[in-house]
Amino acid sequence: GAVVSQHPSRVICKSGTSVKIECRSLDFQATTMFWYRQFPKKSLMLMATSNEGSKATYEQGVEKDKFLINHASLTLSTLTVTSAHPEDSSFYICSARTLGAGGVRETQYFGPGTRLLVL
Amino acid sequence: GIQVEQSPPDLILQEGANSTLRCNFSDSVNNLQWFHQNPWGQLINLFYIPSGTKQNGRLSATTVATERYSLLYISSSQTTDSGVYFCAVRMNSGGYQKVTFGIGTKLQVIP
Repeated sequence: GAVVSQHPSRVICKSGTSVKIECRSLDFQATTMFWYRQFPKKSLMLMATSNEGSKATYEQGVEKDKFLINHASLTLSTLTVTSAHPEDSSFYICSARTLGAGGVRETQYFGPGTRLLVL
Repeated sequence: GIQVEQSPPDLILQEGANSTLRCNFSDSVNNLQWFHQNPWGQLINLFYIPSGTKQNGRLSATTVATERYSLLYISSSQTTDSGVYFCAVRMNSGGYQKVTFGIGTKLQVIP
């Protein structure tokens, strides 16, 4: 099946630094990528949707200057948490989706997630 | 605001048993998805189902949009079905489209 990788899988950083998380679709081209956030023992939140070559669409309440998303190619999207603070500590998950024939939405494939701890 | 409620919050099943998970939502939806997150955190999209019924192997889902609920059926459960099942809806909210997740149903299938 389709594979989506994330790097790094875990990262610990100091408050005030920036952290970049990469999401790659390894064996397919992703026209759309999604970034989610999951708090400990809590539900998921969609942060933003990005289409290759265009600006990400952020969900209401998500700071676009805080969480920079770049979808530079059909196989790579990056999420940069700028000036990270302890409250940014979370599990960040990306997913990638293709469009099938006739523009029919294909299924989403998820990365394994990145655990971020900001000290 | 938008409300998405899932029930039950926790469920323990004997392997081979069937179960029904429910997702209630507070307004009309543009889309509804069911996800499974395994105990190691890996997510899988199960269904896009804003309305109607879909089946995929032992899983099926039905959304009755007019009554604002969706059901996920798991038949002949297996230990690999363990994990958390989330539903998520996309709705119009104050001029925006917003995706809201339920808090999930944690399923444990025991041998």
